Amino acid sequence: EAQVTQNPRYLITVTGKKLTVTCSQNMNHEYMSWYRQDPGLGLRQIYYSMNVEVTDKGDVPEGYKVSRKEKRNFPLILESPSPNQTSLYFCASSFVSSSYNEQFFGPGTRLTVL
Amino acid sequence: GDSVTQMEGPVTLSEEAFLTINCTYTATGYPSLFWYVQYPGEGLQLLLKATKADDKGSNKGFEATYRKETTSFHLEKGSVQVSDSAVYFCALSDYSGYSTLTFGKGTMLLVSP
Repeated sequence: EAQVTQNPRYLITVTGKKLTVTCSQNMNHEYMSWYRQDPGLGLRQIYYSMNVEVTDKGDVPEGYKVSRKEKRNFPLILESPSPNQTSLYFCASSFVSSSYNEQFFGPGTRLTVL
Repeated sequence: GDSVTQMEGPVTLSEEAFLTINCTYTATGYPSLFWYVQYPGEGLQLLLKATKADDKGSNKGFEATYRKETTSFHLEKGSVQVSDSAVYFCALSDYSGYSTLTFGKGTMLLVSP
């Protein structure tokens, strides 16, 4: 089944404790992206990647890191989480071509930073 | 920069009522427009899309028409069901060589029996 998977689905942590949220897709997509969803703000893009070893900042990259060492994986790293990073996080992927390609979203990771 | 504005919710309707969720956008060039739906506890799914002016996207009884003159892409459904209860996001892609999306803030729809 074609899908985007994220782990963990739920995470409660404390301020300053490094964490990684994994994202993996099995559709051979070049493009991958991370969003955060907050009430009243919709989805905002954190980072995206056009292909392996190519990453770029989205609208709200502060406090986050990403890497793209393999095409299928795009982990989101919070080196020193803070309470304002409490949010619902979504990973998405798509092909890259001369026209828009549908983005497929993972099920989300709900993160609480105490 | 690009932006999407959609009506705030929640929108509360009875089953079989008519639904309209307004969406307007600001973008340079000629963006593609989308409606995504998020059911409780799930990720976003593409509901419908339109890639040029006057295009009508449709799926599952939902429709939206790309109106360039009013920069709008309103979502409509003639008869909603309880199972349509979800959060609906309007989005645009001002294509720049990759598929970045700009989302509206989302509108929650609650349909009661």
